[in-house]
Amino acid sequence: DTGVSQDPRHKITKRGQNVTFRCDPISEHNRLYWYRQTLGQGPEFLTYFQNEAQLEKSRLLSDRFSAERPKGSFSTLEIQRTEQGDSAMYLCASSPAEGGYTFGSGTRLTVV
Amino acid sequence: GQQVMQIPQYQHVQEGEDFTTYCNSSTTLSNIQWYKQRPGGHPVFLIQLVKSGEVKKQKRLTFQFGEAKKNSSLHITATQTTDVGTYFCADDSNYQLIWGAGTKLIIKP
Repeated sequence: DTGVSQDPRHKITKRGQNVTFRCDPISEHNRLYWYRQTLGQGPEFLTYFQNEAQLEKSRLLSDRFSAERPKGSFSTLEIQRTEQGDSAMYLCASSPAEGGYTFGSGTRLTVV
Repeated sequence: GQQVMQIPQYQHVQEGEDFTTYCNSSTTLSNIQWYKQRPGGHPVFLIQLVKSGEVKKQKRLTFQFGEAKKNSSLHITATQTTDVGTYFCADDSNYQLIWGAGTKLIIKP
């Protein structure tokens, strides 16, 4: 499978717990993005990596959120001290320099 | 900040009827991308429009970019049940996509 892979597909966690999601982009793509989508809305930008450098970060990304892309390959998104408002679908996407994003299937987070 | 407005929110059609969704912005759009998201699925890239006045076709889908690069549309001719889903436009600006709210295509039974 040469698409974007995300793990896990679903995560249920108790409020206050930490969670970490993983994204494996298409290997030829040097750009990687994290988005968050709630029901009935379009995705909201969270952060962007070019290779291993985190170049853009949304104001939506509070101090509880951190993303990494060591060695410019896979990426992780960690949420500390989860809140119910963090419940959403977390989407990872990668793209080549000329544009056109390929999205992964997402990780659906439910905070109870 | 920049906003991309998309209408309508929903469109109910009989199978075989046409469907159109519109996006517009008060500021000039950079590059417009269109995505389709099936229920329970993730956005799937359809096309990117870059040039003013550009028109691109994919089988029954026609994508247009306005002359002033402030609006775009997607038209589907003779809808089929496989077309069901939410269609999003997104402006590719400064390494992030600014998304419209989407138009949900619903086929009447």
